[in-house]
Amino acid sequence: SQQGEEDPQALSIQEGENATMNCSYKTSINNLQWYRQNSGRGLVHLILIRSNEREKHSGRLRVTLDTSKKSSSLLITASRAADTASYFCATDHNQGGKLIFGQGTELSVKP
Amino acid sequence: GAGVSQSPSNKVTEKGKDVELRCDPISGHTALYWYRQSLGQGLEFLIYFQGNSAPDKSGLPSDRFSAERTGGSVSTLTIQRTQQEDSAVYLCASSMTSGSDEQFFGPGTRLTVL
Repeated sequence: SQQGEEDPQALSIQEGENATMNCSYKTSINNLQWYRQNSGRGLVHLILIRSNEREKHSGRLRVTLDTSKKSSSLLITASRAADTASYFCATDHNQGGKLIFGQGTELSVKP
Repeated sequence: GAGVSQSPSNKVTEKGKDVELRCDPISGHTALYWYRQSLGQGLEFLIYFQGNSAPDKSGLPSDRFSAERTGGSVSTLTIQRTQQEDSAVYLCASSMTSGSDEQFFGPGTRLTVL
């Protein structure tokens, strides 16, 4: 299976702290994307990093990609209670854009 | 503009019945994807369309599942003779083209098979 793995499965932090989530995958990718999901419904796209990129920033989000280790990390800085959600990485293996999702990290930010 | 919409938002059906799930992609998006999210399996790819063609149906779990897209826009996912293991949230996404683009997801249809 190409399915990626994420860790930790669950993360609980205090508001203001940073949250780091990791994602690993098995086969070469075209790009890797991070999504957020609230309450088990629609997914919101956060950031896309291409295979030739190593780092991307978007607001309080920082994503890194290490293709040699087949891994990526998502850092949320200065977390807020509103960041509480499930976060998924998804990999595009150049198969028409279909995404392979990891199992997700459930983030809880306590006020 | 409007995002991806899906209907119904919830569907409860009896085992053995057929169901149709609908997806309206973002206008102008040529690629459309169906995924399924269930407790045991996480988020899994089902099928994608580029225009009205489905180059990859590899994720459809059985021949009870089918999908079509007409006019390069609306898509319907049909599940025949539903089984309890079909219970899941069915998510649709669209993107400008197939490959290397951000996918925009709809709110999903929660299907419960009794």
